[in-house]
Amino acid sequence: NAGVTQTPKFQVLKTGQSMTLQCAQDMNHNSMYWYRQDPGMGLRLIYYSASEGTTDKGEVPNGYNVSRLNKREFSLRLESAAPSQTSVYFCASKREETQYFGPGTRLLVL
Amino acid sequence: EDQVTQSPEALRLQEGESSSLNCSYTVSGLRGLFWYRQDPGKGPEFLFTLYSAGEEKEKERLKATLTKKESFLHITAPKPEDSATYLCAAEDTGRRALTFGSGTRLQVQP
Repeated sequence: NAGVTQTPKFQVLKTGQSMTLQCAQDMNHNSMYWYRQDPGMGLRLIYYSASEGTTDKGEVPNGYNVSRLNKREFSLRLESAAPSQTSVYFCASKREETQYFGPGTRLLVL
Repeated sequence: EDQVTQSPEALRLQEGESSSLNCSYTVSGLRGLFWYRQDPGKGPEFLFTLYSAGEEKEKERLKATLTKKESFLHITAPKPEDSATYLCAAEDTGRRALTFGSGTRLQVQP
C-alpha cells in the first residue's frame, strides 16, 4: 500500500515551458487535492476534486489546470510556467475528515 | 476570511524540556482542527484531529487540546527525534477545505 505517490520528485523548467505533475493514490479515496508550499506561507490550496469527474478551484488556481483522470489519479498542469510558480507541490487524498499527503514535487522555474 | 496563525515560528528546546506550540484560528464554523508533522523534504504526516472545544488527544509525547479560538500542541520531555515542523490547519464547515498556518519549526537538542 503506497499511499499517495507523486512524480516527478524534482523538476527544473524554463519560463514559458509546460509540464504536468502526476499524483496517484491507492487508498480508494474519493477526494483529492493539490497544494503549493512556499517559505513562510504555509500550504495553499490550488485545486481539489471531491469525486471522480469533478474539480473545483481553491485559493490560488491562476496559472494551473487539473484533470481527475479516474478515481486514483489527479494531475496538475502548468501550461506556461512562470518564476512565481517555483514552489513545492503536494498532492493529498482524503478519507473521512483527514487528508493524507504525498512526498511532494519540487519545481524550479528559471 | 479563514485564518490560522501559529506561534512561535521557531522553537529550540533541550531534550526533556517540555513546551507548547500555539495555533489560533478564525473560521466561520469549525469542522475540524488538524495537526500535522513535516520533516525536511517530506510531505506532512497526520497527527491529530480535534472537533470540539475541550477535546484532547494524545500520542506518545504529544498532546493536542482545543478551545473555541486556539489549539495547543503540548510536547512533554521531547527527544531529538521530535525535531520537525508542526503544522496546524482548520477546516471550515462552509468551504470544506483546509486553511493552514505557516508552521512552528521545532529543534530539540540532545
